[in-house]
Amino acid sequence: EPEVTQTPSHQVTQMGQEVILRCVPISNHLYFYWYRQILGQKVEFLVSFYNNEISEKSEIFDDQFSVERPDGSNFTLKIRSTKLEDSAMYFCASWKTLETQYFGPGTRLLVL
Amino acid sequence: AQSVAQPEDQVNVAEGNPLTVKCTYSVSGNPYLFWYVQYPNRGLQFLLKYITGDNLVKGSYGFEAEFNKSQTSFHLKKPSALVSDSALYFCAVRELTDSWGKLQFGAGTQVVVTP
Repeated sequence: EPEVTQTPSHQVTQMGQEVILRCVPISNHLYFYWYRQILGQKVEFLVSFYNNEISEKSEIFDDQFSVERPDGSNFTLKIRSTKLEDSAMYFCASWKTLETQYFGPGTRLLVL
Repeated sequence: AQSVAQPEDQVNVAEGNPLTVKCTYSVSGNPYLFWYVQYPNRGLQFLLKYITGDNLVKGSYGFEAEFNKSQTSFHLKKPSALVSDSALYFCAVRELTDSWGKLQFGAGTQVVVTP
């Protein structure tokens, strides 16, 4: 069964550094998402992406964040200058027909 | 605006007993409702969904959920819990009129099944 994959599984970075989180959505899916889950808290929507552009973003998704789909298969989330409060689990999700969203296993980001 | 409430932080149940995890929602229109499960250090795994039709939906691993429009609830149930069902369960809602399909998650309910 097709799966959403994410790399790396864990990332440790210094505050102020740039990080890029990578996702490979299910191949025939059209809608892509990033969510995050701060330790012990709920899963929060960050951004949705459709037809090669951002379709919706949350208040969390400020100018430090960007997304792109550089090659038609990968879907990336970039954080330009990481802050301590960016430490979280980041989930990529995709779906085809706006019914079931399938989530990747997540990238655990730790900012020191 | 849409929102989801899971009133219990934790549910404890003995193996073999029925398991219920509660969820209520608030949306301005018709909802799409979902349950996901998260095992330790793992991603979110889809269990089941309600889109339309029969109010009782069946999902993976013997789970089912009942959509109750008048009570705005979508409680997750399993007739006989297993120790391996111990995990974190999330209810999520998507508003039907939301073109881009973002999900709003509840805070999660930790299920502990004891042998």
